[in-house]
Amino acid sequence: DVKVTQSSRYLVKRTGEKVFLECVQDMDHENMFWYRQDPGLGLRLIYFSYDVKMKEKGDIPEGYSVSREKKERFSLILESASTNQTSMYLCASSFSGVGNIQYFGAGTRLSVL
Amino acid sequence: GDSVTQMEGPVTLSEEAFLTINCTYTATGYPSLFWYVQYPGEGLQLLLKATKADDKGSNKGFEATYRKETTSFHLEKGSVQVSDSAVYFCALNYGNNRLAFGKGNQVVVIP
Repeated sequence: DVKVTQSSRYLVKRTGEKVFLECVQDMDHENMFWYRQDPGLGLRLIYFSYDVKMKEKGDIPEGYSVSREKKERFSLILESASTNQTSMYLCASSFSGVGNIQYFGAGTRLSVL
Repeated sequence: GDSVTQMEGPVTLSEEAFLTINCTYTATGYPSLFWYVQYPGEGLQLLLKATKADDKGSNKGFEATYRKETTSFHLEKGSVQVSDSAVYFCALNYGNNRLAFGKGNQVVVIP
C-alpha cells in the first residue's frame, strides 16, 4: 500500500513563528503536492514539486515556501505564520503522467494563535 | 482555466436511499476525471476515475460516467449506507499532473 505520512496531525503555533510541515512518501513518486483545505473552498494547491529540488507555484503560494532535498520528502514552510494560515494542510504524491492518482496523507491541522 | 463545479450544500439522506452528486467541468482539452472521498479525520482517497469520454468508473457501489457532451461526471450510488457518510470531491487532471478540485459535498446518511 502507498503510504504518505505527515509528521503531525495537530499543531498550534504563534503568530510570527517559522513553521515546518513535513511529508514523506514511500512509493518513489516523482510528484509531491501541498494543499490547504478550508470549509467551503475545497482544496487549493499551494506548491507542487515534480523532482528533487524542483518546484512550481500553485494557486495560493503567498506566505509559503517549500523544500525538496530528497525524493521521498517534501516540506512546507511558513516563514512567519499568520492567523489566516490556520487551516488543514494536506500532502499528496503521485507518479508522473496524465491521469495518475494522487495519494494523500491524513492531514495536519494547524492553528496559528 | 480548467475547473470543476459541484452542486452546492450538504446532502442528507436516509439509509438505502439513492445518492446523486452533480459535477460539471470546464476544460480546454480532454482531462481525466476523478471522485475522491474523505472520511472523518482522514485524508482524501480515490473513489473512482475515468480517463476518456463515455468511460464509466465504479467502486464500492458508486458509479460515474464521463459525459463529454454535457461536460459532466455525476456520482451515483443506488443504496447508501451509514458508512458512506463522508465528504466527496470531484476533480480533473490538468497541466503538469495537477488536479483541480470542486468544493466538496458533505454527505450524511441517517440510519
